Amino acid sequence: NAGVTQTPKFQVLKTGQSMTLQCAQDMNHNSMYWYRQDPGMGLRLIYYSASEGTTDKGEVPNGYNVSRLNKREFSLRLESAAPSQTSVYFCASRAGFLANTGELFFGEGSRLTVL
Amino acid sequence: GENVEQHPSTLSVQEGDSAVIKCTYSDSASNYFPWYKQELGKGPQLIIDIRSNVGEKKDQRIAVTLNKTAKHFSLHITETQPEDSAVYFCDLKPDSSASKIIFGSGTRLSIRP
Repeated sequence: NAGVTQTPKFQVLKTGQSMTLQCAQDMNHNSMYWYRQDPGMGLRLIYYSASEGTTDKGEVPNGYNVSRLNKREFSLRLESAAPSQTSVYFCASRAGFLANTGELFFGEGSRLTVL
Repeated sequence: GENVEQHPSTLSVQEGDSAVIKCTYSDSASNYFPWYKQELGKGPQLIIDIRSNVGEKKDQRIAVTLNKTAKHFSLHITETQPEDSAVYFCDLKPDSSASKIIFGSGTRLSIRP
């Protein structure tokens, strides 16, 4: 059981380049999330997907797009990267509101630097 | 909008002493109040949680207390050890949405030898 897997783990981009962060979970969870964590800061919600086929904006969605490709996969895309998007990105999943637990399971993070 | 305030932002305690971290919220439809621990270079992991029909829950050296009337919940770590050094987060479901989850700003706990 791999849990939540994020790729890539590290990436360096130039301003204006685009890229997609991939996330997959093998726990049959309904809900998936993308957070960013700046140095010394907390976790801020970018987008989330309550269930397959739905996505919603979080606290800081500007400059990002997401796709819930299927139940397992939830990708985050930066169309035109900016230095302000330099951060560590975490994907997380949760069984869903019908489950007995609200526990979030996190990936190991993707460290993105935009020059 | 809904937010959750977490205090303190940093905490340094002598090894063996206790540490307390508190989260306060203004309004919430949540009935689930968890605490996560994030070690350096890793993603956060759940260490303890509590549901709204319970006032306190303990698991060895850690405990969580909930006061729904005052709208706050706290993490208590007793007999602190070096491996307790980490960043701790609470989270919250801020509204009637079943899935949106936001986090407190985090507390960096350091254990002095």
